[in-house]
Amino acid sequence: NAGVMQNPRHLVRRRGQEARLRCSPMKGHSHVYWYRQLPEEGLKFMVYLQKENIIDESGMPKERFSAEFPKEGPSILRIQQVVRGDSAAYFCASSPGRGMNTEAFFGQGTRLTVV
Amino acid sequence: GESVGLHLPTLSVQEGDNSIINCAYSNSASDYFIWYKQESGKGPQFIIDIRSNMDKRQGQRVTVLLNKTVKHLSLQIAATQPGDSAVYFCAEEEWNSGGGADGLTFGKGTHLIIQP
Repeated sequence: NAGVMQNPRHLVRRRGQEARLRCSPMKGHSHVYWYRQLPEEGLKFMVYLQKENIIDESGMPKERFSAEFPKEGPSILRIQQVVRGDSAAYFCASSPGRGMNTEAFFGQGTRLTVV
Repeated sequence: GESVGLHLPTLSVQEGDNSIINCAYSNSASDYFIWYKQESGKGPQFIIDIRSNMDKRQGQRVTVLLNKTVKHLSLQIAATQPGDSAVYFCAEEEWNSGGGADGLTFGKGTHLIIQP
């Protein structure tokens, strides 16, 4: 059973470009969480989605950031017109039900570098 | 605002010794706490959890203690091994009235260094 798969592992974008980060949850998991981690810091919650629904986006910046989790395919975190401050590691976690617990797992992350 | 934080950014212990990593939280409504281990370049890995109705929980070589009175959480690792070297994060979750929770609040992390 493959774990949470994130791709790409590393992404370099120039300022003003768009970044698309993908997350395929574990098999059987319909809940996805996105977190951002700056160097030497803990993870910061961004958004929580279920299939075709955004449940909580209280941690998402109001502009340029969006997330989706379609009926088919991976969850996508999209960052438009990236700026240097967007450089961070973005982690996705999935769980079979609501809440992070022993059945929830994190992916290996996507490291975004904006140059 | 409410947050979860750690007392020490770096902890160095001798291989074979026990280590204790501390965490202070400020959200008295938190229902659930998790300790994660994160190795360089990897995602957080679940270590152990504890619910707010418990004071102590033991796993294999790890013990988590919860003191709700002073809002303090600790992770004890017994007989540390080189593979224990990593950054350790505590995280808390508040369960809402709907019976679910919407995301974890993480502390900044403690870097545990195991010396030979």
